[in-house]
Amino acid sequence: AQKITQTQPGMFVQEKEAVTLDCTYDTSDPSYGLFWYKQPSSGEMIFLIYQGSYDQQNATEGRYSLNFQKARKSANLVISASQLGDSAMYFCAIRPRGTDKLIFGTGTRLQVFP
Amino acid sequence: DVKVTQSSRYLVKRTGEKVFLECVQDMDHENMFWYRQDPGLGLRLIYFSYDVKMKEKGDIPEGYSVSREKKERFSLILESASTNQTSMYLCASSPPGQFLNEKLFFGSGTQLSVL
Repeated sequence: AQKITQTQPGMFVQEKEAVTLDCTYDTSDPSYGLFWYKQPSSGEMIFLIYQGSYDQQNATEGRYSLNFQKARKSANLVISASQLGDSAMYFCAIRPRGTDKLIFGTGTRLQVFP
Repeated sequence: DVKVTQSSRYLVKRTGEKVFLECVQDMDHENMFWYRQDPGLGLRLIYFSYDVKMKEKGDIPEGYSVSREKKERFSLILESASTNQTSMYLCASSPPGQFLNEKLFFGSGTQLSVL
C-alpha cells in the first residue's frame, strides 16, 4: 500500500529565509505522481507543485521547488525567500498509477516570522 | 475561474441527526471526492465517485454514504451523526486520470461539529 510520511508537524522560518519541508513516500509502483498543496487558515487547498516519477529534472514553480530523490523515495518542498503569507499547513500527496485518488500525508504547519 | 463549492463553511448538528454535506463543481469533472481532515491525521479519503451514480469506498467509509445523481453534484451523508464525526470535510474534483499530473481542485471545506 502507498503511504506518505511528513515527519515535521511544525516548522518555523524567518521571513526571507529558505525552508525545506520533508516528505517521504512508500510505493512499489515504478510510475507515480507527487503533489504538494498549501492550506492557509481559510481552509482551501491550493495546489503548489507536481513531480512525476519519471521526470528527469526537479520541478520548480516560482519560489517553490522540489528536491526529488527517487532512490531515497523523498520529495522535499523547498520554499525560497519565505514570506509572511507562506504561513500555512503544507501537505504532500502521491497518486499511484492506475488510480485517480491522492493519498495525503499528515501535513506540516509552517510559521513565518518577521 | 474553476470552482468547487461546498454549501456550508460551518455546521453544528446533534448526535443522531441525519446530515447532508453538499458539493458542486463547475468544471465538468468526472471525478469527485470527499476527504476528512483531522489534526495529526492529515486528509483521509471517505468516498470517491468517477461518474454519475458510480462510487467507490475510500479508506474510512464507515458511518458515511454518498450520492451522485448529477455530474456536478456530490453529496456526503451522515446517516446518524456521532461525535467522532466532528471534523473538517473537504470536497474535491478532477478530470479522469489519463495523466498522472491531473491535480485535484478543492472546495474551501465544511467544519462540522456534532454535539
